[in-house]
Formats: sequence, structure tokens, C-alpha cells
Amino acid sequence: KAGVTQTPRYLIKTRGQQVTLSCSPISGHRSVSWYQQTPGQGLQFLFEYFSETQRNKGNFPGRFSGRQFSNSRSEMNVSTLELGDSALYLCASSLVWGGGNIQYFGAGTRLSVL
Amino acid sequence: DAKTTQPNSMESNEEEPVHLPCNHSTISGTDYIHWYRQLPSQGPEYVIHGLTSNVNNRMASLAIAEDRKSSTLILHRATLRDAAVYYCILRATIYGGSQGNLIFGKGTKLSVKP
Repeated sequence: KAGVTQTPRYLIKTRGQQVTLSCSPISGHRSVSWYQQTPGQGLQFLFEYFSETQRNKGNFPGRFSGRQFSNSRSEMNVSTLELGDSALYLCASSLVWGGGNIQYFGAGTRLSVL
Repeated sequence: DAKTTQPNSMESNEEEPVHLPCNHSTISGTDYIHWYRQLPSQGPEYVIHGLTSNVNNRMASLAIAEDRKSSTLILHRATLRDAAVYYCILRATIYGGSQGNLIFGKGTKLSVKP
């Protein structure tokens, strides 16, 4: 069974640009969550989707958005990039939404903003 | 999610057991104790979880104190591949609730010496 796939693995953008990251969950998983990891802040939750609906959102500005498609694949978008958005963006999938479930992570997309 | 406290770092010798402690004095009766680890340049990986009783799987064992205010992740024979950051996380068990995301602390960085 294939794991969580994130594309691209690496990305370089400049300030002010926008970026879209993609996540394909494990087959059969309907919940997708996104996290940002930086050396200073560690792993922080961005948002979670289940059945194409955002179920939970972390404390990030509106420049960060996401969506989920009917096949459970998800994308996250960051508009008007800032230097501080440089980070590893991780996607995780799980069978169900809500507490108590096990999340399976992808290898992440490393975004560098110049 | 309730807060957990872990040592910043620990060292172990290869092929020796490792005991990684976690304090969670404000745990509620319905919180599961989850452990994830993150190897260098990878996304977090699920290790084990439990509620009240000790748990074993192919990766590790989880020992939970009787009052559930602390727990210990046990790696029975550390290998070089076990060098990672280990996160102890409390997860609510109520499906359909708002706590779908994982709240990561700083974790314990485990170093394994050959």
C-alpha cells in the first residue's frame, strides 16, 4: 500500500509569489491534515480536511489556505509569500477525522522563500 | 490537548534498552497517550499509543503509570536507526470533536552511539 505522497519535494520561491503544494493520502484515508515545521516553532498544525470540508484550523494568517478534492487528495496554497514561510510542510492522512486516530505522514515539501 | 513534558535530549548505546519518559499530569480520563518519532529528513512516524494498560508492538513498548500522569516509551534494543526526535502527545478519543490535529511539543532528541 503506497504511503502519503507529497509533491514537489523541494521548492524555491521569491517573496510575494504564491505556491501550491499537493498531497495524496493513503488509499482509503479520508482525512488530510497539514503541518508547518520550522527550527524555531517546531511542528505546528495548519488545517485538517475531511470529506472535502475543513474541520479544524490552526492559528495561521489567511494567506494559508487549503482544499480537498472528492478523491481525498489535498492541496494547500500560500499567497504573498514571506521569508518566514520558509519551512518544511508536512501532510498527514488518517482513516477518520477527530481525536484518537493515527496519522501517517508524508516526507514533506521543503519550501525556501528568497 | 493537555500538555506533556519530555527531556530535551537523551543518549543511548547501540543494542541497549532505552527508556524515554513523558510527564502528563493534566491528562484527562479519555486522553490516549501517543508517541511519534521523526527521523532526520523525514516526516513524523507513528510509534505506539495506549490508554491505561501497557502496550507492546513490533517497534516499542509503552508503560503507563497507574495514575496515568506519566508514561515511558521503551525501545528494547536501540539501533542507530532509532536516532530521532521522539514526541509524546495526548489525543482526545472523542470522534467528531474539534481536536483532530496533533499538538507537538519539542520532543526528546535521542542519540544512539555505536
